[in-house]
Amino acid sequence: GQQLNQSPQSMFIQEGEDVSMNCTSSSIFNTWLWYKQDPGEGPVLLIALYKAGELTSNGRLTAQFGITRKDSFLNISASIPSDVGIYFCAGHYGGSQGNLIFGKGTKLSVKP
Amino acid sequence: DTGVSQDPRHKITKRGQNVTFRCDPISEHNRLYWYRQTLGQGPEFLTYFQNEAQLEKSRLLSDRFSAERPKGSFSTLEIQRTEQGDSAMYLCASSLAGTHNQPQHFGDGTRLSIL
Repeated sequence: GQQLNQSPQSMFIQEGEDVSMNCTSSSIFNTWLWYKQDPGEGPVLLIALYKAGELTSNGRLTAQFGITRKDSFLNISASIPSDVGIYFCAGHYGGSQGNLIFGKGTKLSVKP
Repeated sequence: DTGVSQDPRHKITKRGQNVTFRCDPISEHNRLYWYRQTLGQGPEFLTYFQNEAQLEKSRLLSDRFSAERPKGSFSTLEIQRTEQGDSAMYLCASSLAGTHNQPQHFGDGTRLSIL
């Protein structure tokens, strides 16, 4: 089935650093979403993107829907400790109205 | 405005038993989705409803799984004759139907452990 390749798998952050992660697919997606999940909780929606080239911000978070419609990135500026968690990209492709495809996640941890 | 609510939060059962989970969506949302998430993976789609109609089912939804949304509000997901491989977090999400895909909002899940 369709898969999303999300990278990096994990990264360590120091408070104040900027963070970048991305997601690619082999098929054209018509919606891209970014979620954050904390342990024992469900994914929380961060940003939703609907048009190729769209750039959307939510506070310190910025995400873009790639021009080719096969990729998206998420940037976090000036990271803070509560940014720690797992970030998932997800999207719809083809004519599907229900089936959200998720990446495997990028785990953000604090540098020791 | 309450979010998506799932009950129970945790369920431990013996292999072979039946289990049922409940999901209450955000009140004005007419679409409801079920996903399964295993450790280290992203959620995987199982099925979704628009109002009371079940519109899409994944191949992951074996014949031991059944989902219902009889009145177009809350939904239940039942797993019969549970197996070890059913151990996972079961997530429910809801959204509005629209001209393009409206974002899905998730509950905190039911964690199922099969002994």
